[in-house]
Amino acid sequence: EVQLVQSGAEVKKPGESLKISCKGSGYSFTSYWIGWVRQMPGKGLEWMGIIYPGDSDTRYSPSFQGQVTISADKSISTAYLQWSSLKASDTAMYYCARTDYCSGGSCYRGAFDYWGQGTLVTVSS
Amino acid sequence: DIQLTQSPSFLSASVGDRVTITCRASQGISSYLAWYQQKPGKAPKLLIYAASTLQSGVPSRFSGSGSGTEFTLTISSLQPEDFATYYCQQLNSYLFGQGTKLEIK
Repeated sequence: EVQLVQSGAEVKKPGESLKISCKGSGYSFTSYWIGWVRQMPGKGLEWMGIIYPGDSDTRYSPSFQGQVTISADKSISTAYLQWSSLKASDTAMYYCARTDYCSGGSCYRGAFDYWGQGTLVTVSS
Repeated sequence: DIQLTQSPSFLSASVGDRVTITCRASQGISSYLAWYQQKPGKAPKLLIYAASTLQSGVPSRFSGSGSGTEFTLTISSLQPEDFATYYCQQLNSYLFGQGTKLEIK
């Protein structure tokens, strides 16, 4: 069974750093890209970026470039989303999701077919 | 950048109704479009990918159509569990539409 399990809720102060995680299981972690999605309270879905755990190739949405860092450790099938200095406006639910499939050096564009349960990040002084 | 416009933003309907949600892209995106359903407090769920392919396990009352710039998600006969928010997503840039909240009339 494919599963993406995210780390637990976080409460942080402005200016603090944070790294949240997304652990994949039940499939070949290095065969699919992983995406991150933000959902601010009461708002819609925003794509943040994606990473290919096979070689850590990473793409960012222009809206999030420079604001967050996406990384992965394929040895433990885990992707990460991190902030160096949180702001109150980073308060949101963050989801990871599995996306594009890669095989034999080619990647095939896909939808976000499996999602993590979400990590709620609250930034407040 | 390609923009996605989803309409309507809110939709009120009754159990048994047929409803259609539209997603328009500012440029042609072939069939690179997906639809998701999200219920309060839950992660989104993939319904349709490649514009018209039903994800495994999704009831057949859901269908998707379109290509190029105009796409639709249709629910043929609304069930109580279908009241949720629906999002389209363009799969070239991963951009999401603004969402359509489907409420019980």
